[in-house]
Amino acid sequence: NAGVTQTPKFRILKIGQSMTLQCTQDMNHNYMYWYRQDPGMGLKLIYYSVGAGITDKGEVPNGYNVSRSTTEDFPLRLELAAPSQTSVYFCASRVGGSTDTQYFGPGTRLTVL
Amino acid sequence: SQELEQSPQSLIVQEGKNLTINCTSSKTLYGLYWYKQKYGEGLIFLMMLQKGGEEKSHEKITAKLDEKKQQSSLHITASQPSHAGIYLCGAPGGSNYKLTFGKGTLLTVNP
Repeated sequence: NAGVTQTPKFRILKIGQSMTLQCTQDMNHNYMYWYRQDPGMGLKLIYYSVGAGITDKGEVPNGYNVSRSTTEDFPLRLELAAPSQTSVYFCASRVGGSTDTQYFGPGTRLTVL
Repeated sequence: SQELEQSPQSLIVQEGKNLTINCTSSKTLYGLYWYKQKYGEGLIFLMMLQKGGEEKSHEKITAKLDEKKQQSSLHITASQPSHAGIYLCGAPGGSNYKLTFGKGTLLTVNP
């Protein structure tokens, strides 16, 4: 199993541009998450999904959109990029339940100039 | 909403020394995850604790969950440079769907 994969690893955007961060997991996990990590601020939840076709907002959803058409894929869309969206983005997945583990992807480092 | 506070925020130790990192919750903990992150990389799962008083060990890292005190501790024995990184604790919030994370503890181990 490859686990949770993310592309791209790095990206530089200009203000106002749009892009999609890709996330794929091959563990057949129901739950998937998108976080952003800023220095000294820990992980903030952007969006999450409990299954294909179901998504919901986390703590910091403004400026982002997601979709979950399949169990494996959970892309994060940035519309009209702003400097405040400069961050490291992590995708994660878990089976769900009281004894499961949440697995993280390697991250995407995004800079908006 | 649940908040997790980690202490210390950063820690510098000499190789071979023992150290402890704490994670304190604003609400009762029903489970606690510990992760390690190296700079520029993703989070690596270390261990999960579920029951009050539970203790787990992996190599030289031991984690405990004290449910009465709403706190978990991560203890590293005889630290090595390979232990360096950011340690984060996470816990289920009001919904089991989502984890809340602490801000992390940056550990530096000097050879």
